[in-house]
Amino acid sequence: AQTVTQSQPEMSVQEAETVTLSCTYDTSESDYYLFWYKQPPSRQMILVIRQEAYKQQNATENRFSVNFQKAAKSFSLKISDSQLGDAAMYFCAYRSVEYGGSQGNLIFGKGTKLSVKP
Amino acid sequence: NAGVTQTPKFRILKIGQSMTLQCAQDMNHNYMYWYRQDPGMGLKLIYYSVGAGITDKGEVPNGYNVSRSTTEDFPLRLELAAPSQTSVYFCASSTRRGEKLFFGSGTQLSVL
Repeated sequence: AQTVTQSQPEMSVQEAETVTLSCTYDTSESDYYLFWYKQPPSRQMILVIRQEAYKQQNATENRFSVNFQKAAKSFSLKISDSQLGDAAMYFCAYRSVEYGGSQGNLIFGKGTKLSVKP
Repeated sequence: NAGVTQTPKFRILKIGQSMTLQCAQDMNHNYMYWYRQDPGMGLKLIYYSVGAGITDKGEVPNGYNVSRSTTEDFPLRLELAAPSQTSVYFCASSTRRGEKLFFGSGTQLSVL
């Protein structure tokens, strides 16, 4: 079974600085999808970024980018020019490309709480 | 657009009581999900649905039931509430399974 590990329960960054959140995963599959979701204090989770494992190029979305290291099974999220609104819980998630049975559903890590200092 | 709407936002139950958490989406999504979020534990999938009339168990289905009579609605039923069901419950929907989930704002449930 696949697992997702976020080893940093909490992180802190100064406003306008850059921060990197770590995520590792365990899988025997060669193709899959990886995601980062943001959960602000309002609790409503929002998709931040998505990466397809067969793509070499790292995904980017404005100030958010990932460092995808397939061999190392690592999927870190970099937030550049951090803003106060970036303060939230961030969840890393894995999804198999297969759809049979329980496959095809997201597997979440435990999350990293990011604080942004003014 | 309302997106995914969950009601109620907060609820306190006594042990043994039952209740239904409501979830509705107005995006015509086929896929809907129920997750629970315990402190420090991430999200665990309770049940999911791939379309009206079709539901399946997720990782932690015990103590819960669901139905999907329409595309829009996906209620979660708790029977005989137990303290272990104290959690925050999230409903979500998507156009493709496991892809770009849209979440509701959650229901915080306490069982005392």
